[in-house]
Amino acid sequence: QLQLVESGGGVVHPGGSLRLSCAASHFAFSEHPMHWVRQTPDRGLEWVAVTSFDGVNKYYRDSVKGRFTISRDNSNNILYLQMSNLRPEDTAIYYCASALWKQVLDAFEIWGQGTVVTVSS
Amino acid sequence: EVVMTQSPDTLSVSPGERVTLSCRASHSVSRNLAWYQQRPGQTPRLLIYGASTRATNIPGRFSGSGSGTEFTLTITSLQSEDFAVYFCQQYDDWPPRFTFGQGTRLEMK
Repeated sequence: QLQLVESGGGVVHPGGSLRLSCAASHFAFSEHPMHWVRQTPDRGLEWVAVTSFDGVNKYYRDSVKGRFTISRDNSNNILYLQMSNLRPEDTAIYYCASALWKQVLDAFEIWGQGTVVTVSS
Repeated sequence: EVVMTQSPDTLSVSPGERVTLSCRASHSVSRNLAWYQQRPGQTPRLLIYGASTRATNIPGRFSGSGSGTEFTLTITSLQSEDFAVYFCQQYDDWPPRFTFGQGTRLEMK
């Protein structure tokens, strides 16, 4: 069964850091671009970042540029999101998701179950 | 940024009915439009991509149409498991700035 499992969420103070991980199983992880998406009751679903299949190309939403870094380890089928200088507005459920095919501009086929990040003093 | 607007926010319907959900883009996204279903307590599930192609294992009662800035998702003969929130998403913007609609909630009348 195709599966993505996130981990690494938690409670952190403003200005703090967290690293999220997303472990993939039973699909060709190294062939697909991978995304991080977050969800809050107020703002709904927000795309955060994407990495190309080989990790060379990376793109971010404006509000996280310079603070978040997406990366991947294709040898171990893991996607990461390093988050620093966290703000209260980064509080959300964070999902990893895989692109449907092999291009960055594509629908999101497989989603993880999510990990909760809370930024609060 | 392409702003996606869905209507209505909430739709009260009965099982067995046919429903049509709308999604409008602030700029043309060609046919680079997806629909997702999110049941309570679950993660989003891809229903439709390319505006009208059903994803793997999605029942035939779900269909999508549209192009440019106007899109619709139609569900014929609603089943109990279809009561959920539905999101549209564009994946046309470059550099990548994927955006979602605010969602339409289907609730049982």
